[in-house]
Amino acid sequence: KNQVEQSPQSLIILEGKNCTLQCNYTVSPFSNLRWYKQDTGRGPVSLTIMTFSENTKSNGRYTATLDADTKQSSLHITASQLSDSASYICVVSGQAGTALIFGKGTTLSVSS
Amino acid sequence: NAGVMQNPRHLVRRRGQEARLRCSPMKGHSHVYWYRQLPEEGLKFMVYLQKENIIDESGMPKERFSAEFPKEGPSILRIQQVVRGDSAAYFCASSRETQGNYEQYFGPGTRLTVT
Repeated sequence: KNQVEQSPQSLIILEGKNCTLQCNYTVSPFSNLRWYKQDTGRGPVSLTIMTFSENTKSNGRYTATLDADTKQSSLHITASQLSDSASYICVVSGQAGTALIFGKGTTLSVSS
Repeated sequence: NAGVMQNPRHLVRRRGQEARLRCSPMKGHSHVYWYRQLPEEGLKFMVYLQKENIIDESGMPKERFSAEFPKEGPSILRIQQVVRGDSAAYFCASSRETQGNYEQYFGPGTRLTVT
């Protein structure tokens, strides 16, 4: 069964600290893996997209890694800001085309 | 370039009524996707449409739910005879293409509450 599992479910950190979110998937065949940020009451916004041949991709203070062999990905957030408080969702595309498979997300709270 | 537009943002319906959710894709995008997000759950794919065609409706319940994307106008997700379990956030996304690392851009969602 195609699944995307994320951990932790929620996380609280102090402003300025770094954090790493984890994603494991069992989707096959695999096309690409995406990380989205979803603010409360808003739609998801794409942070990174990686194919199986890419190990790492950065977008500002966000750095995603991918290990296609172990089917694991991580999202590292550097020097967190209050505006980083959101749900971070790992999404896997099973094949070139349409259906995206979403994880439940990790809820990050950054406090001052 | 305006993003994906959805309306209404909030919709309240009584059990048995019909709900109509609208989605206008980004300019130049001909591919539209609908997703449902139940409380405490991840987004679940419902249906993928191109202009005047349903391409993949594997995630949409067989009964009471229908979707269309006419040649002119927004895409419509229609839920007939709503039940309390239909209460959820419904997100629409659009893309210019579907190959490679294509981007899906999401709208702000419609939050449906069935009373």
